[in-house]
Amino acid sequence: KNEVEQSPQNLTAQEGEFITINCSYSVGISALHWLQQHPGGGIVSLFMLSSGKKKHGRLIATINIQEKHSSLHITASHPRDSAVYICAVRMGTSYGKLTFGQGTILTVHP
Amino acid sequence: DAGITQSPRHKVTETGTPVTLRCHQTENHRYMYWYRQDPGHGLRLIHYSYGVKDTDKGEVSDGYSVSRSKTEDFLLTLESATSSQTSVYFCAIKKGLWETQYFGPGTRLLVL
Repeated sequence: KNEVEQSPQNLTAQEGEFITINCSYSVGISALHWLQQHPGGGIVSLFMLSSGKKKHGRLIATINIQEKHSSLHITASHPRDSAVYICAVRMGTSYGKLTFGQGTILTVHP
Repeated sequence: DAGITQSPRHKVTETGTPVTLRCHQTENHRYMYWYRQDPGHGLRLIHYSYGVKDTDKGEVSDGYSVSRSKTEDFLLTLESATSSQTSVYFCAIKKGLWETQYFGPGTRLLVL
């Protein structure tokens, strides 16, 4: 069983819809990252959080440490949001090493 | 964008040949990482460095070695490339433990 599980694996939405991607992990962590990867492109860090909630533009990330669960929300989705969204966790300090989920492929249609 | 580059960006090589990938940063960040990304496996850590000449293994280190003789460069070497090492390789850097991790553009390696 993977230490980091994301759901859904694939998500299709219409422009303007509210989107939620979930991430569950099985061990205690010190931080959780959400990353974005466009097709054929590089990887960009969206959020790093260890508690509560963070917001950047239309993106919101939340984490519940007790339930070992995080969500990434996209409000008013747009076709340019189409990408792979990756959850990654850091356990302890561990030199900043990350363990990654498999990613969620998001496609937003106009 | 963090000043991080990878070279080469694309490489085709033959089984059994040595290959070296370079990660170069201009940010003076302490931590550097090499990952590989494969369909069905996601990103996996190969090796990492926490300072000049300080390196350690990640979860998929077999067949790979690294060196970091100066802050700005982290080299990944495939001693004798195999087809199972065909992958996209990403380098990442991090200033401090509680900082964001920045990724390089990736290197596509095909081992025939």
